Amino acid sequence: DIVMTQSPDSLSMSLGERATINCKSSQTILYSSDNKNYLAWYQQKPGQPPNLLIYWASARESGVPDRFSGSGSGTNFTLTISSLQAEDVAVYYCQQYYTSPFSFGQGTKLEIK
Amino acid sequence: EVQLLESGGGLVQPGGSLRLSCAASGFTFSNYVMTWVRQAPGKGLEWVSFISDSGDRTSYADSVRGRFTVSRDNSKNTLYLQMSSLRVDDSAVYYCAKNSTVDYYFDSWGQGTLVNVSS
Repeated sequence: DIVMTQSPDSLSMSLGERATINCKSSQTILYSSDNKNYLAWYQQKPGQPPNLLIYWASARESGVPDRFSGSGSGTNFTLTISSLQAEDVAVYYCQQYYTSPFSFGQGTKLEIK
Repeated sequence: EVQLLESGGGLVQPGGSLRLSCAASGFTFSNYVMTWVRQAPGKGLEWVSFISDSGDRTSYADSVRGRFTVSRDNSKNTLYLQMSSLRVDDSAVYYCAKNSTVDYYFDSWGQGTLVNVSS
């Protein structure tokens, strides 16, 4: 099974700052036949279900603000929020869909300082 | 607008059974793979199971295999999760999620239903 490990577990940033969340997979999730990284990012606000932000490691879901971006390849990935807004307070999860079981990272809690 | 509405959660004793339902609307249900994901109180997300669009293919997490059964009724636009031999560590909010058109990430989620396994 592929294990997804996020860092840090929590993050406290000021409004307008750049926030970076890392996600590492225990094996490559880059499929050589299509050169795609099978990684998604979700945002979960308190009391709400998760919401898809990014898929294929860097493709932004429709309606997601462009301050959210994803990068990385192979086993190392990053979610970046370019300028933190108050409404970005949430827990962020990465998920691999390269192979079943489709595992999630443990989550990164983002707070405003 | 895609809507997913879970139901069937509640309090059940260890060893008991429960069937969750997820009523779907706003999209052609029979065209999409569907997934169950759970979240224990204060914990992270755990993928549980998926079922193919036609229902002929399923997959389960090791933690539930042999105890949970996923099914669907495309005529009723409804997804199910039959849970048996429930354990205390099955306590969680259970979400149903719609897979994307192209792969196994999830572009829509329900609000979840809470399952509490306790004596």
